[in-house]
Amino acid sequence: YELTQAPSVSVSLGQTATINCSGDNLGKKFAFWYQQRPGQAPVLVIYQNAKRPSGIPDRFSGSNSGQTATLIIRGTQAMDEADYYCQTWDGNAGVFGGGTKVTVL
Amino acid sequence: EVQLVQSGAEVKKPGESLKISCQASGYKFTDYWIGWVRQMPGKGLEWVGVIYPDDSDIRYGPSFQGQVNISVDKSIDTAYLQWSSLKASDTAMYYCARPTSGWWFDLWGRGTLVTVSS
Repeated sequence: YELTQAPSVSVSLGQTATINCSGDNLGKKFAFWYQQRPGQAPVLVIYQNAKRPSGIPDRFSGSNSGQTATLIIRGTQAMDEADYYCQTWDGNAGVFGGGTKVTVL
Repeated sequence: EVQLVQSGAEVKKPGESLKISCQASGYKFTDYWIGWVRQMPGKGLEWVGVIYPDDSDIRYGPSFQGQVNISVDKSIDTAYLQWSSLKASDTAMYYCARPTSGWWFDLWGRGTLVTVSS
């Protein structure tokens, strides 16, 4: 099973960033999202498609339908500049997308 | 404090063996799966595999089956990732992480950098 992400997304400070993750019938599975800042371990930002862990700002939101899961960052801040990875479970093993680098202009 | 503490960086030669560790604390080790994620230099995350400490049930990612060995020592709440013969292509950061029952990773270690070079 494979998950596909665009390599990069640029967003102006304070605007909305949209990060997509596509896979065969991904909407029938749960999607999870991680943020990884340079030199740091990943951090979970969305689980079960749209739920935010404690401590994750509400400007992060997620959805999942059809072939595509989406992570949205509203009111993007400079600290949101990072790599973002989607992940799912295919019944036997976990799978990560290739990652999307978000650049805040 | 709930945390995963990983062993330190390693520098090895091709063909050598290696075992890196991840010690859990702050929660009941046998109640959760624990696993490993690879990140090659400048690249993305890859799902290596996970193990359930209570019965040693293991799930490997397709690219890693037969390439590495995952194990645990329940007596010291520690998980291991092991290679019998390292290759230069094993050079990477390896993260220990705890998956929930829903298979997302809610807890991560800081990573162990493995460098394989002649």
